[in-house]
Amino acid sequence: AQKVTQAQTEISVVEKEDVTLDCVYETRDTTYYLFWYKQPPSGELVFLIRRNSFDEQNEISGRYSWNFQKSTSSFNFTITASQVVDSAVYFCALSEPVYNQGGKLIFGQGTELSVKP
Amino acid sequence: DSGVTQTPKHLITATGQRVTLRCSPRSGDLSVYWYQQSLDQGLQFLIQYYNGEERAKGNILERFSAQQFPDLHSELNLSSLELGDSALYFCASSVRSGGATDTQYFGPGTRLTVL
Repeated sequence: AQKVTQAQTEISVVEKEDVTLDCVYETRDTTYYLFWYKQPPSGELVFLIRRNSFDEQNEISGRYSWNFQKSTSSFNFTITASQVVDSAVYFCALSEPVYNQGGKLIFGQGTELSVKP
Repeated sequence: DSGVTQTPKHLITATGQRVTLRCSPRSGDLSVYWYQQSLDQGLQFLIQYYNGEERAKGNILERFSAQQFPDLHSELNLSSLELGDSALYFCASSVRSGGATDTQYFGPGTRLTVL
């Protein structure tokens, strides 16, 4: 069965530190997508990135970068030079293919990141 | 702002009651998904509708039901409410029928408190 594990429940850093959030997934499908979402204290879920299983190139967007390694079933998220506004809960998610279970997202338990000034 | 709207933002009710949560997807999106976020279960998929038809079902209780209307908005009905139903309920939408090719954009959520 599909599963997403975010082993880090809480992380606390000081502003300007780099921080990496880990995500490990399990799936038997060869085609799948991985996502990261951010949930700030206000509560909404904000989409950050989508990566398909055939694209293992790392991606960088400003201070955010993602490292996808199929060999270790990991999709880690790094924030460089963290800021207080990065404080939030971050969720990694895996999608099941449409022919099997529609558009269901399977979420990890989330990592709560606290960035202190 | 994702473009997905949910009403109401907060809902407080008593055990045994019935409530309806409403969701309007982003313009042009045909799929609507419902998720429940609780402290003990985390984020759990409940149900998906695509262009008015049920497409996928997750861990949705029999006391819960949903539908998607011709204008594509969706409603989640929760009945015979129990204390354990207190949670944040999210609606999400995507362009197509979902799965590997779609990004789901989430609304701000409805926080349900059952007293």
